[in-house]
Amino acid sequence: GAGVSQTPSNKVTEKGKYVELRCDPISGHTALYWYRQSLGQGPEFLIYFQGTGAADDSGLPNDRFFAVRPEGSVSTLKIQRTERGDSAVYLCASTSRDRVPYEQYFGPGTRLTVT
Amino acid sequence: QKEVEQNSGPLSVPEGAIASLNCTYSDRVSQSFFWYRQYSGKSPELIMSIYSNGDKEDGRFTAQLNKASQYVSLLIRDSQPSDSATYLCAVKGAGGSYIPTFGRGTSLIVHP
Repeated sequence: GAGVSQTPSNKVTEKGKYVELRCDPISGHTALYWYRQSLGQGPEFLIYFQGTGAADDSGLPNDRFFAVRPEGSVSTLKIQRTERGDSAVYLCASTSRDRVPYEQYFGPGTRLTVT
Repeated sequence: QKEVEQNSGPLSVPEGAIASLNCTYSDRVSQSFFWYRQYSGKSPELIMSIYSNGDKEDGRFTAQLNKASQYVSLLIRDSQPSDSATYLCAVKGAGGSYIPTFGRGTSLIVHP
């Protein structure tokens, strides 16, 4: 079946602009995670959804970052007033808690570059 | 602060050798452990999960878990150049924690 998809694959924006990154999880996966990965580092947790609600948003770095998942499937990560330090690969992962628990399947990522 | 430590490498091994990748973690009550492979410019791909002490084998891969010593390792037998990638260790805590912590990864180079 289809895996996790993310759009766009690349996004270049100017400092101060607003961006939206989209994630479409594996069908039937109730849990969805957003991570940020910088070069040479492991994925850094941002936010976790269980269904429509954000179960844990402790990784969001500040109030410029926000994410939604209104229907419990597709999620959008929103970044306001982008800064150059926001440049990274943003990864989305989904998982099913019903079978093998907590194994996460990642999308291809969105490379965000803030100029 | 939960920490997952990996040697960043690179670890260089000849083709056909066994590659041994190690990971230590700080949260003593961690319950779930995962190894991901990440090719350059690509996203992480799950290759192994392990939940109990001991060894778990899947093809050329063996995950080893020692909770008393708080380490988990990944062995790759008969290493191939196509195994050259960064290997990420991820650890999930106990109980209601659903957030895994990732290490920074170990770069593996398998040379012909």
